[in-house]
Amino acid sequence: DTAVSQTPKYLVTQMGNDKSIKCEQNLGHDTMYWYKQDSKKFLKIMFSYNNKELIINETVPNRFSPKSPDKAHLNLHINSLELGDSAVYFCASSQVPVGALGNEQFFGPGTRLTVL
Amino acid sequence: SQQGEEDPQALSIQEGENATMNCSYKTSINNLQWYRQNSGRGLVHLILIRSNEREKHSGRLRVTLDTSKKSSSLLITASRAADTASYFCATHTGNQFYFGTGTSLTVIP
Repeated sequence: DTAVSQTPKYLVTQMGNDKSIKCEQNLGHDTMYWYKQDSKKFLKIMFSYNNKELIINETVPNRFSPKSPDKAHLNLHINSLELGDSAVYFCASSQVPVGALGNEQFFGPGTRLTVL
Repeated sequence: SQQGEEDPQALSIQEGENATMNCSYKTSINNLQWYRQNSGRGLVHLILIRSNEREKHSGRLRVTLDTSKKSSSLLITASRAADTASYFCATHTGNQFYFGTGTSLTVIP
């Protein structure tokens, strides 16, 4: 049973295209996240949703738009892809939000995005 | 920024030896967590230590926290080849959550 799953695992696309990455968790968690990990393995939080409500929105270009149709899903849509968007994108979930104690996060396997 | 810095960036040891990784951060925290990332995989939570705790153990892992020095260490005892991975600390302050720069550990069989 996969706790946090992401699709696709790999995504290769041309500059200027629009693409989406999907994430689903079956842990019954209330909070979900998107992270970007660059080539130097630096991991940065992008967004966090709690009960379908956006609670963390770091400085991210507005070409990135998260959407949470329900508590178990958090998708990431990226418009007008740029070369610098190439990275590995991780989805994660936790039982409680970042502001609460015991915020252990469970990560998906990642989506490697390559923009040509 | 609050991003933690880890030291060393890379560490190579023989199987059976102990591995120690350090994490330093800048502002006060609510808790600090350690995660492991195997190559090409997502992160896996290892241990959480709260700001009022000084030491925590989990199996072969021992984490210490010194809030006066704003630093934490992760000790892996009796290392195994399967411990080869990158290890990240993550600090939690209010509504903010930051990962460190990571230590790449190689355990040679």
